[in-house]
Amino acid sequence: SQTIHQWPATLVQPVGSPLSLECTVEGTSNPNLYWYRQAAGRGLQLLFYSVGIGQISSEVPQNLSASRPQDRQFILSSKKLLLSDSGFYLCACWPLGPNEKLFFGSGTQLSVL
Amino acid sequence: GEDVEQSLFLSVREGDSSVINCTYTDSSSTYLYWYKQEPGAGLQLLTYIFSNMDMKQDQRLTVLLNKKDKHLSLRIADTQTGDSAIYFCADSGTYKYIFGTGTRLKVLA
Repeated sequence: SQTIHQWPATLVQPVGSPLSLECTVEGTSNPNLYWYRQAAGRGLQLLFYSVGIGQISSEVPQNLSASRPQDRQFILSSKKLLLSDSGFYLCACWPLGPNEKLFFGSGTQLSVL
Repeated sequence: GEDVEQSLFLSVREGDSSVINCTYTDSSSTYLYWYKQEPGAGLQLLTYIFSNMDMKQDQRLTVLLNKKDKHLSLRIADTQTGDSAIYFCADSGTYKYIFGTGTRLKVLA
């Protein structure tokens, strides 16, 4: 079955520190991968998506970057975190196939202090 | 660009029906979706409807689609306290899903 491993579940980081969130997928090949952010009390904002290794599309200008070094690995990074980067980060996967639907990891709660 | 809108809050009594509404702008959507998010968790796909359908029923869930008005609704019959969560509607384009702001459903005992 298809699963997403996303870690860590919670993270507290000081302003100006770097960030690396990792997401790995099992049970599918060549999926589309996504990073969403959910700020407190707000909806989901699409940050990045990737349709293949090394292919990254950015949806909003920001302090974050994404990389896809392997087919089933998607990484969200920052060199210097800002207070406004706090939020709940969700990795999602859309497998190839006519009846496949988007499914989500369990999320990382990031607090920047 | 594409946009999906929902009301932010809904409060119902246990045993009543809940109706969560959504409007979208992308007329090329093939599927429209409802996801549920429980506190501190990721989103889970609840149900979806193909764009050439008007209605889909799945146990306590009924999805209604008015394609002319670009209006989607989710009805939960006999709402239980375990249904308390945030509900997101979404539509899918070529490469991505666009989500609404989410409706926080609170079920009162």
